[in-house]
Amino acid sequence: NAGVTQTPKFQVLKTGQSMTLQCAQDMNHEYMSWYRQDPGMGLRLIHYSVGAGITDQGEVPNGYNVSRSTTEDFPLRLLSAAPSQTSVYFCASSYGESTEAFFGQGTRLTVV
Amino acid sequence: AQSVAQPEDQVNVAEGNPLTVKCTYSVSGNPYLFWYVQYPNRGLQFLLKYITGDNLVKGSYGFEAEFNKSQTSFHLKKPSALVSDSALYFCASSGNTPLVFGKGTRLSVIA
Repeated sequence: NAGVTQTPKFQVLKTGQSMTLQCAQDMNHEYMSWYRQDPGMGLRLIHYSVGAGITDQGEVPNGYNVSRSTTEDFPLRLLSAAPSQTSVYFCASSYGESTEAFFGQGTRLTVV
Repeated sequence: AQSVAQPEDQVNVAEGNPLTVKCTYSVSGNPYLFWYVQYPNRGLQFLLKYITGDNLVKGSYGFEAEFNKSQTSFHLKKPSALVSDSALYFCASSGNTPLVFGKGTRLSVIA
């Protein structure tokens, strides 16, 4: 029972590089979200999706792009990495807004 | 817009004593409220939630939370703390958007 799987676990990028953080869930959840966690800031919502083909911006969307072509996958793209994007990124999924969310193990990203 | 506040960055409690981690919310309409716990280098784990009904909600690992509409609070409690409860705790709400989190409270239980 995999739950929510994020890859990679660790990544170092140079400023200006692009990359995609992968997120997959096997629970047939409609809702998927990406958060970033920074010290003292809690978790801030980057982008989210309430179903395949539907995405929307969260609190801190700039510099990130998402798509949701299938129910299972919700990749997060960094278009041109900046040091300010150094953070721990979490993907989450749930059946809906009143149900518990399941989180991946996180991706620790460092931009140098 | 919905928001959640955790007024304490750090809570220290002796093992065996009761613990409380505070949370207040600002949500239009009926709130969906949650508590999550994060252990070092791990993702968040669900503890409990309030949707409707009984104001006292029981969750995992002996934790409970009390929903207080007049004080707009949803404090997390446990009658007797364990050293293994030491972790980072997040209060969250959802409604028209996915989960909105507080900044977290670090709980340290001292033996």
